[in-house]
Amino acid sequence: TQLLEQSPQFLSIQEGENLTVYCNSSSVFSSLQWYRQEPGEGPVLLVTVVTGGEVKKLKRLTFQFGDARKDSSLHITAAQPGDTGLYLCAGHNAGNMLTFGGGTRLMVKP
Amino acid sequence: NAGVTQTPKFQVLKTGQSMTLQCAQDMNHEYMSWYRQDPGMGLRLIHYSVGAGITDQGEVPNGYNVSRSTTEDFPLRLLSAAPSQTSVYFCASSYSRGSGAQYFGPGTRLLVL
Repeated sequence: TQLLEQSPQFLSIQEGENLTVYCNSSSVFSSLQWYRQEPGEGPVLLVTVVTGGEVKKLKRLTFQFGDARKDSSLHITAAQPGDTGLYLCAGHNAGNMLTFGGGTRLMVKP
Repeated sequence: NAGVTQTPKFQVLKTGQSMTLQCAQDMNHEYMSWYRQDPGMGLRLIHYSVGAGITDQGEVPNGYNVSRSTTEDFPLRLLSAAPSQTSVYFCASSYSRGSGAQYFGPGTRLLVL
């Protein structure tokens, strides 16, 4: 079974602070996705990274895929209360399944 | 365009009861899947389907059955509910196998007493 470990599990910060969330595995993935989930709703895809070393930016969010395609990070600059939610990473290999990490629950206080 | 819809939103069952969780999508996606979400464990794949008439087991299939008679619908059946099946269940669809963006429904919250 391929495992994805996310850290930290919980993060509570003040509005305007920066933060980084990590997603690590001992396995290689062909691609990795990041989702955000709000209470009472299903996860929504934020980004997919495919190439080792790839960096993608989505407004204040920066996603990086590790060179060896075993890890990824999500950096949020100047966090806002609207960024509050559960952030999930999910890795895909050659099969038909996505493997999800346990999630990082972020709370941004005004 | 409703995306992925799930019914019911909330259900309470007694141990041993059976029920079917409904899932439908209107995006003509071939790939559909069922996940369960438990605190601190992210999403775990129960069953998936790569097209009508084709289903396969995921990571945690025991106690669940699925069928895929049409592209649109992918129901999940609990054969004999157990307290360990208390969870939030999400259905998802995708235009491609595994690596494509998953579109999730709003979830069904199930409590088994």
